[in-house]
Amino acid sequence: GQNIDQPTEMTATEGAIVQINCTYQTSGFNGLFWYQQHAGEAPTFLSYNVLDGLEEKGRFSSFLSRSKGYSYLLLKELQMKDSASYLCAVLGGGATNKLIFGTGTLLAVQP
Amino acid sequence: NAGVMQNPRHLVRRRGQEARLRCSPMKGHSHVYWYRQLPEEGLKFMVYLQKENIIDESGMPKERFSAEFPKEGPSILRIQQVVRGDSAAYFCASSPPDRQTEAFFGQGTRLTVV
Repeated sequence: GQNIDQPTEMTATEGAIVQINCTYQTSGFNGLFWYQQHAGEAPTFLSYNVLDGLEEKGRFSSFLSRSKGYSYLLLKELQMKDSASYLCAVLGGGATNKLIFGTGTLLAVQP
Repeated sequence: NAGVMQNPRHLVRRRGQEARLRCSPMKGHSHVYWYRQLPEEGLKFMVYLQKENIIDESGMPKERFSAEFPKEGPSILRIQQVVRGDSAAYFCASSPPDRQTEAFFGQGTRLTVV
């Protein structure tokens, strides 16, 4: 089966660091994506990991462990505008390579 | 290079009417994916199309829903005889051939069935 789990909601303080975890069990794996989605808007690409390890991009970093079926998104120096849903998605293998999404983590950044 | 364009952004239909959602992929992209996002839920894959071909429609409901991506023109997601449960945001993503890691999403069409 296909299963992607992430926390439903998280709260953090402006200027702090927050880590959003994602675990997955999928029949195929061609990489893991993190997207940011503000209410009523399109998902926007944050990161893509296909190999184990940490990818850093400015205030955002993403980590992948394929053996553990685990990823996290790390947000540093939180800003109010980071309040959004963060979607973990696995690019499934096979002919279609479709994205399989978790339900998203709604992050609220408080002053 | 314009992004993925979806129209309309908002669509209101009465129960029993038809809804047509359009998606124009980015220039050079020949692969289109449709996803549905129900309130308080994650995005769910519906269908994957290439020009004039449906590659995977495993996420499409068996009845009332259809999709096409003609040689010319946008991809169309068609919902016949809409019901309240069809109310959702429908997102389209496009990618170049064989480079699905470069998929970009459109702004979505928010369908409300009254």
